Amino acid sequence: AQKVTQAQTEISVVEKEDVTLDCVYETRDTTYYLFWYKQPPSGELVFLIRRNSFDEQNEISGRYSWNFQKSTSSFNFTITASQVVDSAVYFCALSSSGSARQLTFGSGTQLTVLP
Amino acid sequence: DGGITQSPKYLFRKEGQNVTLSCEQNLNHDAMYWYRQDPGQGLRLIYYSQIVNDFQKGDIAEGYSVSREKKESFPLTVTSAQKNPTAFYLCASSDRVVSYNEQFFGPGTRLTVL
Repeated sequence: AQKVTQAQTEISVVEKEDVTLDCVYETRDTTYYLFWYKQPPSGELVFLIRRNSFDEQNEISGRYSWNFQKSTSSFNFTITASQVVDSAVYFCALSSSGSARQLTFGSGTQLTVLP
Repeated sequence: DGGITQSPKYLFRKEGQNVTLSCEQNLNHDAMYWYRQDPGQGLRLIYYSQIVNDFQKGDIAEGYSVSREKKESFPLTVTSAQKNPTAFYLCASSDRVVSYNEQFFGPGTRLTVL
């Protein structure tokens, strides 16, 4: 069985602050994929990033960055200089062959960025 | 524009009635999925289909049924056997059912049982 834990249920920050969303995962597979999705108030999930288990390089995309550490089974997401439009629910998800290649989602973190 | 459409956006149902949620995609994806989302929770998989005329149960299939007669369509029926159907339902698709493929999501249908 695999599991994704997002311990932060809700986070509030003031605009321009940096914020990190935590994601811890469990799997017995050696090959797996980690994902982050954003769910704005409209409800549709938007794909942000995919990372495979063999690539521990951190990734930066504009104000977004991701820190993947296999040693701690974590795949954290940082937003630099947050903006009000970043307010959304963010989901971390895991997929592997051991789970019939299905996505297992964390419970999500509600991020509110205040002006 | 390529994407996934779900209809209706809001749906109200009386207890004891079956209701069907529509999901259509024009991405030419082989795989399609239905998820249920409850407040404060992540998404849970109801059913998925890898190819036309084939589908598999997910983690919470009881009280739901699906069909896949066309590649672009994957409707979900919420039956009266589903004890707590009020939730937000999301449909998704991906190129194939493989670990590395990201899934693309529709805008969702919010079902309320009165």
